[in-house]
Amino acid sequence: GQSLEQPSEVTAVEGAIVQINCTYQTSGFYGLSWYQQHDGGAPTFLSYNALDGLEETGRFSSFLSRSDSYGYLLLQELQMKDSASYFCAVRENRDDKIIFGKGTRLHILP
Amino acid sequence: DAGITQSPRHKVTETGTPVTLRCHQTENHRYMYWYRQDPGHGLRLIHYSYGVKDTDKGEVSDGYSVSRSKTEDFLLTLESATSSQTSVYFCAISESPVSSGANVLTFGAGSRLTVL
Repeated sequence: GQSLEQPSEVTAVEGAIVQINCTYQTSGFYGLSWYQQHDGGAPTFLSYNALDGLEETGRFSSFLSRSDSYGYLLLQELQMKDSASYFCAVRENRDDKIIFGKGTRLHILP
Repeated sequence: DAGITQSPRHKVTETGTPVTLRCHQTENHRYMYWYRQDPGHGLRLIHYSYGVKDTDKGEVSDGYSVSRSKTEDFLLTLESATSSQTSVYFCAISESPVSSGANVLTFGAGSRLTVL
């Protein structure tokens, strides 16, 4: 079956760097995205990878290795406002079927 | 904010009653989605649409139906609500993927449904 696996929780210190991993097993693959969701809010888009390698957007970077069915989100210079849940998502077909992982809760310590 | 609204935002209903949630967009985006979010399960795709009258099932479509008779509206119907359908429901929209293949989902604010 299809699945996206990511750690349920990660804890890091303010100002540090944290990496959130995602491995996927899907019937098709057309790209990996990352979304952030604060408590009580809606998910918001962070980053996208269609090809292998690193994409950088400010303090956030995302990496993809299609041969390993693996990607990660890297958050640098952590701020307290980065405390949130982070979801990886796979675009599974050309009709844009998009499925999500269960999310990683990021706790940031001062 | 992208023009996407969900209604109702909150609803309490009883087991066995029909419920319809509405997602309305003013962006003229082609793709629309319904997800449910439950603790420990993340976001699970219920149904999605890739055009007017073009819909397909997601991961957890049993007990749900959808309709999209015009670009701007995507309706999610629970024909006979059950307690297991108590959840927060999110609608999302996206444009056709750009040349890079990226498709960015923009989510509505969510609809909290409680089935007693």
